[in-house]
This record gives sequence, structure tokens and C-alpha cells, in this order.
Amino acid sequence: QVQLVQSGAEVKKPGASVKVSCKASGYTFTSYGLSWVRQAPGQGLEWMGWISPYNGDTNYAQKLQGRVTMTTDTSTYTAYMDLRSLTSDDTAVYYCARGGGIPGMDYWGQGTLVTVSS
Amino acid sequence: QSVLTQPPSVSGAPGQRVTISCTGSSSNIGADYDVHWYQQLPGTAPKLLIYGNSNGPSGVPDRFSGSKSGTSASLAITGLQAEDEADYYCQSYDSSLSGVVFGGGTKLTVL
Repeated sequence: QVQLVQSGAEVKKPGASVKVSCKASGYTFTSYGLSWVRQAPGQGLEWMGWISPYNGDTNYAQKLQGRVTMTTDTSTYTAYMDLRSLTSDDTAVYYCARGGGIPGMDYWGQGTLVTVSS
Repeated sequence: QSVLTQPPSVSGAPGQRVTISCTGSSSNIGADYDVHWYQQLPGTAPKLLIYGNSNGPSGVPDRFSGSKSGTSASLAITGLQAEDEADYYCQSYDSSLSGVVFGGGTKLTVL
């Protein structure tokens, strides 16, 4: 069965960086794109970007351009999302999800809470 | 302000039918990009409910249906049940932003 398992909760100080991982299993990793979506407390879903594990192509949300980097390691079926220069506005639950772009996102990770606080 | 507009809340009694609208523009829904719907139960990750405007993934009850027309889409839920109480989000692609866009979400309350 398809599973996406994310790394654990993080607490960061303003100005720091965070790297969240998402380990895929149950399907051919390079056959599907992978998206990152975040949700601030009590707020809606915000798309952060998408990566193709097949060739490394990325598409980042304009709002996060320059602060976010998405990568994959095809040997371990793991995707990574690196977000820099954190502020309190980046406090959110971060999700990875299979698919995205134009198709829907059919499987989601359990979410990773990132708290930015001094 | 979300690119796709949804009502903040809807409600209905058990057994009733409710609909949730998702209004976009000529650069997303109106540009013929597919609309997808997600259900998010409290404290859990979103779950794909409808993909490609009107298709239900395996395991999703056929009480849930989707449609699209022009620059809008709708999610209909018939035979409302208590366990349907959740947040619902529409999602599409926007050519002006060159990226995925979500609606602001609609909280469904089962009375």
C-alpha cells in the first residue's frame, strides 16, 4: 500500500532553516511527482511547490521562491523540503503528497508540525 | 484571499443534501484545468475525495459527487451523515500563477 511517512516535529528560532523529510513506499517513486502543502494553525491549505523525482524538475509557489528548496533521493525513496529564513508566519503543519501540479494529490503524509518561536 | 472562492461554512441535517461551491476564473477553472476536492477531518491530513472534476477514488462513497461548469465547480454530498463533518477544499491549477491553487476551505456542520 502507498505510504508517505514524514519526519517529526521541529521547533526553530526565527531566521533559522528547517528540513522536513518524506519517505515513500508502496509505489515506484520516480513515476509520480510529489507536492508540499502547508497549513498554518486554524487556516486553509497552501501549496508550496512540486518536484519530479524522475528528473528533479521543480515548480515553487511564487510566494516562497528563493526561500524553499525541494529535493529527492531516489535511492532511499525520500523527498526533502528545505525552508530558510523562518519567521513566525512559517509556523504550520507541513504535508507531502503524491501528485499535484495538474493532477490531484492522491496520498498524503501524516504532517510535520514546524513551530517558529524565539 | 484565496484564488478559488468557497463559502466559509455550510450545514445540513442528517440525510439531507448539501452543496459546496468553488468559484475561480479564466486562468484556472475557466481555463479547463481539472478541479479536485479534499476532505479534512479534524486533526488529520487531507484526503482526496473527488479528482478530475467528477471522479471518486476507490473507497469514497458515491454519496459524494463533483461537477464543473464554466469558471465554477461544486461538491455535492447526499444522505448527510455525522461523520461527514469536516473541512472541504477545492483545488485546481492556475496558469497565471503557474502553480496549484486551493480554495479557502468550507466547514461542513451536520446539525
